[in-house]
Amino acid sequence: DVKVTQSSRYLVKRTGEKVFLECVQDMDHENMFWYRQDPGLGLRLIYFSYDVKMKEKGDIPEGYSVSREKKERFSLILESASTNQTSMYLCASSLRTSEGSPLHFGNGTRLTVT
Amino acid sequence: GQQLNQSPQSMFIQEGEDVSMNCTSSSIFNTWLWYKQDPGEGPVLLIALYKAGELTSNGRLTAQFGITRKDSFLNISASIPSDVGIYFCAGINTNAGKSTFGDGTTLTVKP
Repeated sequence: DVKVTQSSRYLVKRTGEKVFLECVQDMDHENMFWYRQDPGLGLRLIYFSYDVKMKEKGDIPEGYSVSREKKERFSLILESASTNQTSMYLCASSLRTSEGSPLHFGNGTRLTVT
Repeated sequence: GQQLNQSPQSMFIQEGEDVSMNCTSSSIFNTWLWYKQDPGEGPVLLIALYKAGELTSNGRLTAQFGITRKDSFLNISASIPSDVGIYFCAGINTNAGKSTFGDGTTLTVKP
């Protein structure tokens, strides 16, 4: 089974702090994704990556950046955390783009910005 | 961007009842997927559909890929308490390379 591991289940940060959310997958998947989940808003795509060092903006990239230096690791960075970034963050990976491969999700990081 | 309309937003049912939820889109998708999210965990794939008109079952779950490629439904028969959770539909346009998710259906099952 594919395993997608997010480094923290819960994080509490102060406004203005730089925040790193880490995600690792163990199945050599090409694609990795970061979503945020808020009540009533479903899953919204922040950034995704098709390959090492490549990144694409999703639907809500403002206030975020990402890094993919190795195939198995995809980091989400909040340069200066704000209270409206309090949310559940979900990382996911999929095998390849061309075949409509399903996503495999981590268990999420619940971030609170105070 | 592409949007999916998922309904209903929430359902409260009695154990043993059947459940039906659906997603519609103004855009065509090549793939439709249904996921379930248990409390405190990430979504997990239930069923994947790859062809228009395809009807697929997984135990008590049945899902269909609409003929127009713009809709899909998920049925759960004889619901049990562990069916509780949030169900998401997702469409993939392989040209765009990313999934578009519905807003989810929250299912509550009363014993």
